Amino acid sequence: QKEVEQNSGPLSVPEGAIASLNCTYSDRGSQSFFWYRQYSGKSPELIMFIYSNGDKEDGRFTAQLNKASQYVSLLIRDSQPSDSATYLCAVKGTNAGKSTFGDGTTLTVKP
Amino acid sequence: NAGVTQTPKFRILKIGQSMTLQCAQDMNHNYMYWYRQDPGMGLKLIYYSVGAGITDKGEVPNGYNVSRSTTEDFPLRLELAAPSQTSVYFCASRTSGGAVDTQYFGPGTRLTVL
Repeated sequence: QKEVEQNSGPLSVPEGAIASLNCTYSDRGSQSFFWYRQYSGKSPELIMFIYSNGDKEDGRFTAQLNKASQYVSLLIRDSQPSDSATYLCAVKGTNAGKSTFGDGTTLTVKP
Repeated sequence: NAGVTQTPKFRILKIGQSMTLQCAQDMNHNYMYWYRQDPGMGLKLIYYSVGAGITDKGEVPNGYNVSRSTTEDFPLRLELAAPSQTSVYFCASRTSGGAVDTQYFGPGTRLTVL
């Protein structure tokens, strides 16, 4: 079992729809959870982080964390073509010095 | 601030050659990381450092070496390059404190081994 698994893509949604990206992790001691966006040919950039169970909203983005189910998700409301990118889930486990990344989910938002 | 810089941007190596990928940051971050990203895959941690003089292995350290003599620089050395090391290499850094545990990434080095 991979330490961090993301739903396999690619994911395609129409403009204006809600995109839902999912991530599960295996280390129950994990403390911090991150979503990075990576445009093709570019480096990753942080868009959301969450530490506590529940929802965290930032503009059109909502991160959801359920530690009991070891599950974290990212919702993108009113999806735009500019949201088309690969989204990487990262988890910081019991070793505070490093994070483990999932393989990413590629999202395409069609106009 | 320049943030995290990496050189070179692109490089082609022949099998068996060696090279050093350079990484520097000007944010006074303690933590620095080297990742590789193969096509369609996520980031795999090669090595990381929690401060000058301290380094540790990540998931895929074989074939690589690192050193951290200063806070700013974290070079990655490839010895005896192999085709399996063809990848995009990202360096990242983060502070050891603060409310947000953000890693800042460099622009990457695209390496091809033929």
